Amino acid sequence: NAGVTQTPKFRVLKTGQSMTLLCAQDMNHEYMYWYRQDPGMGLRLIHYSVGEGTTAKGEVPDGYNVSRLKKQNFLLGLESAAPSQTSVYFCASSYREETQYFGPGTRLLVL
Amino acid sequence: GENVEQHPSTLSVQEGDSAVIKCTYSDSASNYFPWYKQELGKGPQLIIDIRSNVGEKKDQRIAVTLNKTAKHFSLHITETQPEDSAVYFCAAKGDTGRRALTFGSGTRLQVQP
Repeated sequence: NAGVTQTPKFRVLKTGQSMTLLCAQDMNHEYMYWYRQDPGMGLRLIHYSVGEGTTAKGEVPDGYNVSRLKKQNFLLGLESAAPSQTSVYFCASSYREETQYFGPGTRLLVL
Repeated sequence: GENVEQHPSTLSVQEGDSAVIKCTYSDSASNYFPWYKQELGKGPQLIIDIRSNVGEKKDQRIAVTLNKTAKHFSLHITETQPEDSAVYFCAAKGDTGRRALTFGSGTRLQVQP
């Protein structure tokens, strides 16, 4: 039981490049979330999903897109990366709307 | 929407002392309040949570208290140990609207041996 895994662990992008972050969970959770973590700002919700095929905007959705084609996977896309998107990205999942289990994070640097 | 404020941002204590971290929330409809611990280079991990129908909850050296009237909740760690050093986040979830947690900005706890 791997829990929540994230791919890749670290990535460097140039401004304007695109990439996709992959989150996978093997706990059969309905809810999945993407957060970004910046110094002194805690965790801010980007997008979330309450089930396969559904997505919803969080607190800071601009510049990101997501897809939940399979229950166990939640993808976060950056279409045109900007330096302001340099951050650590965490995925989480939960059975209900409460206890969330987090992945190890993806560190993204946009130059 | 919900707003969660957390204090202090940094806290240094001697091993064996107690540590207290406080959070306030804005949405009176919030009904679930978890605390997460984040060690360096890792994702946050749930350490304790409390629901709005309970005033206090304990788990060994960790306790959380909730004051619904004042809209604040606190994390108490007794007999601190060096391995308690980490960043701690509080969070709150409302009963309506956005179905996700709102996190505080975090407290970096340093336990000095």
